[in-house]
Amino acid sequence: RKEVEQDPGPFNVPEGATVAFNCTYSNSASQSFFWYRQDCRKEPKLLMSVYSSGNEDGRFTAQLNRASQYISLLIRDSKLSDSATYLCVVLSNSGYALNFGKGTSLLVTP
Amino acid sequence: AAGVIQSPRHLIKEKRETATLKCYPIPRHDTVYWYQQGPGQDPQFLISFYEKMQSDKGSIPDRFSAQQFSDYHSELNMSSLELGDSALYFCASRGPGTGDNEQFFGPGTRLTVL
Repeated sequence: RKEVEQDPGPFNVPEGATVAFNCTYSNSASQSFFWYRQDCRKEPKLLMSVYSSGNEDGRFTAQLNRASQYISLLIRDSKLSDSATYLCVVLSNSGYALNFGKGTSLLVTP
Repeated sequence: AAGVIQSPRHLIKEKRETATLKCYPIPRHDTVYWYQQGPGQDPQFLISFYEKMQSDKGSIPDRFSAQQFSDYHSELNMSSLELGDSALYFCASRGPGTGDNEQFFGPGTRLTVL
């Protein structure tokens, strides 16, 4: 079983829609969490870190629920350029390796 | 802003050949990580270095070795290449002042083994 589980999608949404992605992790001792975005055949790009109190960056909001070991990402007012794979990522206990989910594919259509 | 540099960007090798991938971290970053991403897969951690010492080891085959040099660049050496080694190899870096263990990825080296 993977340490980080995500719904692979795809999520097909129209421009302007709000879409939410969820992710669960298995290691209750995990301390650092991230959402990365990856375009086809490109490198993962850090979208945002995820904090216990929840955090927002423009149209993007991330939430962490430690009790349920659950992470979410909300994208408001979707743009065509948001089309990508969104990777839920958890830092390993070593403090070095990142454990990736398989990613959720998002396609925003006109 | 300067990013992680990887070379070469593309590499084609035959089975049983060797390959060397290079990574130049963001200036002043002291920690380098290597990840392998196979087709349709998520990135898998291979190995990391902090201040030129190996800091963590993941699913790196014994045929592969890596090191970090005094200028903080890193090289991943791959020998006896197999077809299954065909993948994207990403290097990431992190350094002082980087918040929350954030890692920044280079553009990757696409290795094809024929």
